[in-house]
Amino acid sequence: QLQLQESGPGLVKPSETLSLTCTVSAGSISSSSYFWAWIRQPPGKGLEWIGSIFHTGTTNYSPSLKSRVTISVDTSKNQFSLKLSSVTAADTAIYYCARQVPTPSWFDPWGQGTMVSISS
Amino acid sequence: QSALTQPASVSGSPGQSITISCTGTSSDVGSYNLVSWYQQHPGKAPKFMIYEVNKRPSGVSNRFSGSKSGTTASLTISGLQAEDEADYYCCSYAGSTTWVFGGGTELTVL
Repeated sequence: QLQLQESGPGLVKPSETLSLTCTVSAGSISSSSYFWAWIRQPPGKGLEWIGSIFHTGTTNYSPSLKSRVTISVDTSKNQFSLKLSSVTAADTAIYYCARQVPTPSWFDPWGQGTMVSISS
Repeated sequence: QSALTQPASVSGSPGQSITISCTGTSSDVGSYNLVSWYQQHPGKAPKFMIYEVNKRPSGVSNRFSGSKSGTTASLTISGLQAEDEADYYCCSYAGSTTWVFGGGTELTVL
């Protein structure tokens, strides 16, 4: 059964870059049918799609975050990564990675999520 | 691209039915039958419940159903059970390979 696991620092200073990695197990990130997505959830708030990547490196980003987001993939390690630059307190959130079926469009499964706080 | 609009909370008694609305625009919900729904229990990751407006993945109870009219999608839960108490989120394709989620609805089973 496919599993995803997020990893990375739980605390990032304002103005720095948030970096997270999602490791995919029991399945190949190189599958031609799926995208791989990052989604976040600020404390007590709703979900926000950040962006997605295909194993070839093709990316799609949320218009509201596009200027600060970079998603990359490492097929040799079965991992994909998120970098979010110039972070502020508003970027404090639980960050989830998920497999995405672009058509007919769903996110499943999800990683357990990792809390990232932005604070000096 | 704005978040889809959902009621902050809904409630119902065991055995009753409830409906959660998800209102978007002509650029997302209104243009595509690509609405999905997710259930999230406290401290847990979201669980995939509905896709393509009204289709259930295997393993999801048939008490969960979806529909859409114009720019509003809806999730109906019939025969409410205590275990259904959770937050629910809708998500829609919004064109140009972007996706947008709703703000979430807290379901309380009285």
